[in-house]
Amino acid sequence: NAGVMQNPRHLVRRRGQEARLRCSPMKGHSHVYWYRQLPEEGLKFMVYLQKENIIDESGMPKERFSAEFPKEGPSILRIQQVVRGDSAAYFCASSPVAGGETQYFGPGTRLLVL
Amino acid sequence: KNQVEQSPQSLIILEGKNCTLQCNYTVSPFSNLRWYKQDTGRGPVSLTIMTFSENTKSNGRYTATLDADTKQSSLHITASQLSDSASYICVVKAGKLIFGQGTTLQVKP
Repeated sequence: NAGVMQNPRHLVRRRGQEARLRCSPMKGHSHVYWYRQLPEEGLKFMVYLQKENIIDESGMPKERFSAEFPKEGPSILRIQQVVRGDSAAYFCASSPVAGGETQYFGPGTRLLVL
Repeated sequence: KNQVEQSPQSLIILEGKNCTLQCNYTVSPFSNLRWYKQDTGRGPVSLTIMTFSENTKSNGRYTATLDADTKQSSLHITASQLSDSASYICVVKAGKLIFGQGTTLQVKP
């Protein structure tokens, strides 16, 4: 049973470009969480999704950020028109049940905006 | 405001020594508290989880304590090894997970 997979592991974008981050949850997990970790800071919750539904997006910036978790395929975190302040590590976690009692984290995607 | 604060921010110890990491939280309502270990370049991995009624829980050389009255937790690492070098993150669940910023531990030979 493979763990949570994220790709790419590293992503470099220029200001104004789009960044797409992918997360494949563990097999059998239908709950996905996205977190952002800025340099020298702790992880911050962004969004919680269940298959085809956004459950809680209270941590998502209002503009340029969106997330989806389609019926088939990985969860996608999309950042449009990236700015330097978006440079961070983005972690995805999955859990088998609602509430996130036990979340398993992926290795993260490190986004660098030039 | 829900907050989780950890101390020290960083710590260097010699291999074989013990150390204790601290976590203070102001979170309501409290569900549980976890300690995670995050190796450089990797995602966090859960070490222990403690509920309101639990005072202490061990996982090998890691022992976590919880004082729900003072809202404090500690993670004690015994006989440290080089592989213990990592960030240790205290996470409190209050609806959603609230993460501390972590303590970076470096174990030197």
